[in-house]
Amino acid sequence: KQEVTQIPAALSVPEGENLVLNCSFTDSAIYNLQWFRQDPGKGLTSLLLIQSSQREQTSGRLNASLDKSSGRSTLYIAASQPGDSATYLCAVRRPPDKLIFGTGTRLQVFP
Amino acid sequence: GAVVSQHPSWVICKSGTSVKIECRSLDFQATTMFWYRQFPKQSLMLMATSNEGSKATYEQGVEKDKFLINHASLTLSTLTVTSAHPEDSSFYICSARPPGYEQYFGPGTRLTVT
Repeated sequence: KQEVTQIPAALSVPEGENLVLNCSFTDSAIYNLQWFRQDPGKGLTSLLLIQSSQREQTSGRLNASLDKSSGRSTLYIAASQPGDSATYLCAVRRPPDKLIFGTGTRLQVFP
Repeated sequence: GAVVSQHPSWVICKSGTSVKIECRSLDFQATTMFWYRQFPKQSLMLMATSNEGSKATYEQGVEKDKFLINHASLTLSTLTVTSAHPEDSSFYICSARPPGYEQYFGPGTRLTVT
């Protein structure tokens, strides 16, 4: 059974810090891994998607890496801003067509 | 592009009544739609997968007679919570997947059962 865990569960940092969010999964048989952002009471916004054959993806201040063999992914946020405050979820796509979500990291960036 | 809408965005109903939630893909056709449930401060849990024109596949532990899913067209799926009880109060999120692409998520529906 695929389990996805995220560490830390919550994080509070001052504006400007560089952050690393961690995601681990128990079964390496995945199609891809995706990072999402969720604001309180809202749906999901896709941030980055890494295919199983890829090592990393970048979008602006975000960089996500994937080490499938060790079952780990990290989301790096550079120069954090208060607007980055949200819950960050990782999810792995498992055959044939199922997303398994992680436990989430609640991020607060204060001015 | 790739917008998914849900209606209503929030609903309050009395215990024992049924409530229907709609999920629409606005600018693409989705052969597959998914329904998730999210309890406060918890992650999303897949409830069921629906393919247009066929019966939904429910995850283990999800009562198919309580959570009725209909995927009647390539742009619309509905989730009906029958005989709702307070423990069904949750945030319900749908997603839609066009062929060959990843899932696109709706904004969610907050259900409160009193």
